[in-house]
Amino acid sequence: AQKVTQAQTEISVVEKEDVTLDCVYETRDTTYYLFWYKQPPSGELVFLIRRNSFDEQNEISGRYSWNFQKSTSSFNFTITASQVVDSAVYFCALTFTSGTYKYIFGTGTRLKVLA
Amino acid sequence: DAGITQSPRHKVTETGTPVTLRCHQTENHRYMYWYRQDPGHGLRLIHYSYGVKDTDKGEVSDGYSVSRSKTEDFLLTLESATSSQTSVYFCAISEIGRNEQYFGPGTRLTVT
Repeated sequence: AQKVTQAQTEISVVEKEDVTLDCVYETRDTTYYLFWYKQPPSGELVFLIRRNSFDEQNEISGRYSWNFQKSTSSFNFTITASQVVDSAVYFCALTFTSGTYKYIFGTGTRLKVLA
Repeated sequence: DAGITQSPRHKVTETGTPVTLRCHQTENHRYMYWYRQDPGHGLRLIHYSYGVKDTDKGEVSDGYSVSRSKTEDFLLTLESATSSQTSVYFCAISEIGRNEQYFGPGTRLTVT
């Protein structure tokens, strides 16, 4: 089965707290890509990061960091020192290297950052 | 930002009427996708296209058809709209060798 699970439906934190959004995936393919997207209250979907299955290096971009662990089939997303502008729904997605790049999305995690 | 537009942005229609949503891109990307977003389901793929006149079904294709007569346009048609098709519809594009997808602004469709 090919599946993406975001078990956290909604998370609330107070501004400046760190928060981690979990993403667990299932696939039998050995080559695949993982993504995170942000959907702010305005509704658009914003691409945040792509990670391929051969690259287990963690990535940091400003206050955002991503931890990819093949051993646990997880691709978790951490926001450090959260801000109100981080309030959004975050989606994790999985795709494969064979031609059509169809995505499998998780159901999303709604993050609320309270001032 | 990727040049993707969707029209209309909002539509209210009655059960049983046909509806066509349009996705237009200026990026000349080969792949185009239609998704629907519903609470508790995330985004689910309806149909996709891998070139002009080349389309295939996604996981929730029943009740929908698509057409792609030129690279820049991908049309989604609800032949006879039902209330279960009330949703937000997103179009996305991607290119060969770059498998991240870029999304349009979405169309909110309400079927009454």
